[in-house]
Amino acid sequence: LAKTTQPISMDSYEGQEVNITCSHNNIATNDYITWYQQFPSQGPRFIIQGYKTKVTNEVASLFIPADRKSSTLSLPRVSLSDTAVYYCLGVGNMLTFGGGTRLMVKP
Amino acid sequence: GAGVSQTPSNKVTEKGKYVELRCDPISGHTALYWYRQSLGQGPEFLIYFQGTGAADDSGLPNDRFFAVRPEGSVSTLKIQRTERGDSAVYLCASSSRHLAGGTDTQYFGPGTRLTVL
Repeated sequence: LAKTTQPISMDSYEGQEVNITCSHNNIATNDYITWYQQFPSQGPRFIIQGYKTKVTNEVASLFIPADRKSSTLSLPRVSLSDTAVYYCLGVGNMLTFGGGTRLMVKP
Repeated sequence: GAGVSQTPSNKVTEKGKYVELRCDPISGHTALYWYRQSLGQGPEFLIYFQGTGAADDSGLPNDRFFAVRPEGSVSTLKIQRTERGDSAVYLCASSSRHLAGGTDTQYFGPGTRLTVL
């Protein structure tokens, strides 16, 4: 199982780009790197997933270097509604969540 | 279609009682997962079903916890002789995953908040 390490919290302002980096030194060969977002009183919500290099969707971008020992979630031009907890995971046989990064977006 | 639903949304019980928590996955999803989340922490894996069978129950903390999925759709998490330490939000997720590893997008329900007094 891929153990992940990410910052406990981050602050940002509306309109800024936010980058959250996660370390996963022992990620398995067949693990995909997945990011989830969780709002209070809700279940986690899938944001983006990738194996290597760069993946982009309508919500975010995910950058994964060649060694796959880390990944960076990039949220362009955040808004107040992006305030949430963000989890990075190595997806293998199950989801092993760490503590997540609490992102606070301020006006 | 409808997402993952969980009932009840809140459950308050007394220490020593038995509780059942229900999960209705997205129609057609073969994989179903149960997690437990304590305040300020990430979700903790409990059990994973593939169809009707428990493919991995290594996360169940002890034999007071049990889950079933008799027809490969709805699942029930059962907790016997509840303890105060069982208080948490119990999350259910489903996916269309068929094989181990690789990609797997899980869709989570809103959770059941269990409080054991």
